[in-house]
Amino acid sequence: DAGVIQSPRHEVTEMGQEVTLRCKPISGHDYLFWYRQTMMRGLELLIYFNNNVPIDDSGMPEDRFSAKMPNASFSTLKIQPSEPRDSAVYFCASSSGQGVSNQPQHFGDGTRLSIL
Amino acid sequence: GNSVTQMEGPVTLSEEAFLTINCTYTATGYPSLFWYVQYPGEGLQLLLKATKADDKGSNKGFEATYRKETTSFHLEKGSVQVSDSAVYFCALSGGSQGNLIFGKGTKLSVKP
Repeated sequence: DAGVIQSPRHEVTEMGQEVTLRCKPISGHDYLFWYRQTMMRGLELLIYFNNNVPIDDSGMPEDRFSAKMPNASFSTLKIQPSEPRDSAVYFCASSSGQGVSNQPQHFGDGTRLSIL
Repeated sequence: GNSVTQMEGPVTLSEEAFLTINCTYTATGYPSLFWYVQYPGEGLQLLLKATKADDKGSNKGFEATYRKETTSFHLEKGSVQVSDSAVYFCALSGGSQGNLIFGKGTKLSVKP
């Protein structure tokens, strides 16, 4: 089975530009998570969805960040306008809700974002 | 709320040394516990898990036992290899919501 697929793997753009990160979860998984990882702050949960519905977005840093999940096989994380401090590795993960508490999350390889 | 505390890194060991990475947690109810590993340039991968007290998770020579009395889930390996160099994350389930609570990660470097 294919794992969680993220695109692009690397993104370099200038401050002020819109950035869109994409994620395809594992088929059949009904939870999807977006994380951000930096040296300073470690791994931070930004938002997560259950059955395409956002459950907790308290980790989204600012209104510049938005996430959508239009269907069970696709999600986007958008930053508009982008700033240099948004530079980080962004991970998407998915899991199955069956037996919720003991199901592991499966991570994609991440998108390394650099804002100049 | 639920939380996880891991030992601070980095940890540097020689090949074939014994490894322990400490992890303690606070939680209500009966969470499941996980160890994830992140190799350079990659995402996190599940290493092992335990779903109830006294369970031992094991994989690739790594082990961790769910100790409810000490609220701990320490990661151990009897003989580390250079290829084990990575960042290790302890995590616990967040309850009914399906999310995980991650520790800050411990970087392990193994020298030949």
